[in-house]
Amino acid sequence: DAGVTQSPTHLIKTRGQHVTLRCSPISGHKSVSWYQQVLGQGPQFIFQYYEKEERGRGNFPDRFSARQFPNYSSELNVNALLLGDSALYLCASSPYASGTTLSQGGYTFGSGTRLTVV
Amino acid sequence: RKEVEQDPGPFNVPEGATVAFNCTYSNSASQSFFWYRQDCRKEPKLLMSVYSSGNEDGRFTAQLNRASQYISLLIRDSKLSDSATYLCVVNINDYKLSFGAGTTVTVRA
Repeated sequence: DAGVTQSPTHLIKTRGQHVTLRCSPISGHKSVSWYQQVLGQGPQFIFQYYEKEERGRGNFPDRFSARQFPNYSSELNVNALLLGDSALYLCASSPYASGTTLSQGGYTFGSGTRLTVV
Repeated sequence: RKEVEQDPGPFNVPEGATVAFNCTYSNSASQSFFWYRQDCRKEPKLLMSVYSSGNEDGRFTAQLNRASQYISLLIRDSKLSDSATYLCVVNINDYKLSFGAGTTVTVRA
């Protein structure tokens, strides 16, 4: 079975550019979350989507946006890139939306997209 | 104040040794607790959930102290393959996991 797939795996962008990162959840999973992991830090929550609806947003500027499609795949968009946006962007999928899955540790992470902004 | 704080280490231990480390969390309403393992430049993977009564999974033992708001992980009989960064994770609400910055463990032959 395919796990969580993310594309691209690596990306280099210039300051001020826009980037779109993609995530395909595990088949049957309806929830997708996005996390940003800066080198030396733990992942930071950006968004969660469930059944195409945004259920939560972390403390990130409006330059960050996301959406979930009918097939439950998701895109994370970042506008006006800054050097500080350089990070590993992780997508996590889960079959559920809320507490039950968390108590079961039901999030599976993809291998991430490593974004470098120069 | 950070939601989850961990001792960054690194902990450098010989094979067969026992190593233990903690994390603390700030939100007393936190509901669920986990340890994730992350290998260098890889994605985090769930190691174990942490229950109030404490729990074991093979050589790994996790403890939760809600009164003091800390979580611990103990690794017995360390293996070279245990070398990784261990992330303390707390569920603040239904949709968000809060991660610590990680504790690095290196097991040497």
